[in-house]
Amino acid sequence: DTGVSQDPRHKITKRGQNVTFRCDPISEHNRLYWYRQTLGQGPEFLTYFQNEAQLEKSRLLSDRFSAERPKGSFSTLEIQRTEQGDSAMYLCASSRDSSEKLFFGSGTQLSVL
Amino acid sequence: GENVEQHPSTLSVQEGDSAVIKCTYSDSASNYFPWYKQELGKRPQLIIDIRSNVGEKKDQRIAVTLNKTAKHFSLHITETQPEDSAVYFCAAILMYSGGGADGLTFGKGTHLIIQP
Repeated sequence: DTGVSQDPRHKITKRGQNVTFRCDPISEHNRLYWYRQTLGQGPEFLTYFQNEAQLEKSRLLSDRFSAERPKGSFSTLEIQRTEQGDSAMYLCASSRDSSEKLFFGSGTQLSVL
Repeated sequence: GENVEQHPSTLSVQEGDSAVIKCTYSDSASNYFPWYKQELGKRPQLIIDIRSNVGEKKDQRIAVTLNKTAKHFSLHITETQPEDSAVYFCAAILMYSGGGADGLTFGKGTHLIIQP
């Protein structure tokens, strides 16, 4: 499978715990995006990377959220001190440099109890 | 920032009929408008897109129209089939001439139901 892959598919955690998700983009794609989607809503932009540089962060990305893409390949999204409001599907997407066509992964469904 | 409104939230049509989903955007500088289809429990998949320098684009049973003056764009699906049942999202983005872009802003989605 040469698409965008995300791990894990599902994560259940207790409030206050830290969680980390991983995204592996399509190999030749330089741009990597993180989105959050709740039931009945469209994906909401969180942040994106051009290679290893994080170029933009949404206001939705509180101080508890941090994303990295250290070698310009895979990316991790960490949520510290999780809250029930963090429960959502976290989607990763990637695109080529000069193309805006985003290809999404299957997402990580987070449930905070 | 950009704001995208999408209507209707739910659309039920008879198999074989046409379906139309409409979106409006707020930032007149936005210049790229993709449509994504998301089936239950699956990832969003790009089905068609349009740039601001064209008014219409068609791909088999799917077409998208763009009215820059009114800042709205629409998805048209003809001869609907059961497999068209899904949630459809429109989105808008400002693409910079140097190749950069900010994140896509999505609409809230339309649940399309194809009735046999």
